[in-house]
Amino acid sequence: DSGVTQTPKHLITATGQRVTLRCSPRSGDLSVYWYQQSLDQGLQFLIQYYNGEERAKGNILERFSAQQFPDLHSELNLSSLELGDSALYFCASSLGLAGAHEQFFGPGTRLTVL
Amino acid sequence: AQSVTQLDSQVPVFEEAPVELRCNYSSSVSVYLFWYVQYPNQGLQLLLKYLSGSTLVKGINGFEAEFNKSQTSFHLRKPSVHISDTAEYFCAVSDRENYGGSQGNLIFGKGTKLSVKP
Repeated sequence: DSGVTQTPKHLITATGQRVTLRCSPRSGDLSVYWYQQSLDQGLQFLIQYYNGEERAKGNILERFSAQQFPDLHSELNLSSLELGDSALYFCASSLGLAGAHEQFFGPGTRLTVL
Repeated sequence: AQSVTQLDSQVPVFEEAPVELRCNYSSSVSVYLFWYVQYPNQGLQLLLKYLSGSTLVKGINGFEAEFNKSQTSFHLRKPSVHISDTAEYFCAVSDRENYGGSQGNLIFGKGTKLSVKP
């Protein structure tokens, strides 16, 4: 158990819909990262928050957004969903910003868009 | 920008045989290097990391990796594998100095599926 929790575990929805994925980082970790894992693109970094502020963006679509709340949990919002958004979405947390800090991954949310 | 290449998408091996999973990276800046393992239907778990110092890094479950700067490689090895090592293995890098707006985010290779047969 990494200490990072993600809900829900599975999500099935239709094209055009909007969903919210939730992540609670390990106690004491200030950084939260979101990654997408798909068969064709592999594991890709989406976005990072540190202590409530957005700090880095990767290959995140404009239809996707995220935020980190004062209690440090984070939510990833995916809207106008397309079939290609079906993937496993991981949240990871780390103590700080430096690349040397180990990232602890949650179990992921499997999104299926029908 | 960085990129990571894992040269083998699948590696079948018999139990108790040695294994090497290959990883090469490309980067214009100094990087940290990581190997993660993903068991079926689970998240990623850190196996080992290279930050500095000795180029031979030992990790969990008997795995080790060697950083070769001239070859820009970070190959993962285990002298004797078990059935329980069957999983997907990911090599990853992150910036040392947070260049270009990155803040420690990981760049992953495509993964290598290790299948250990009895």
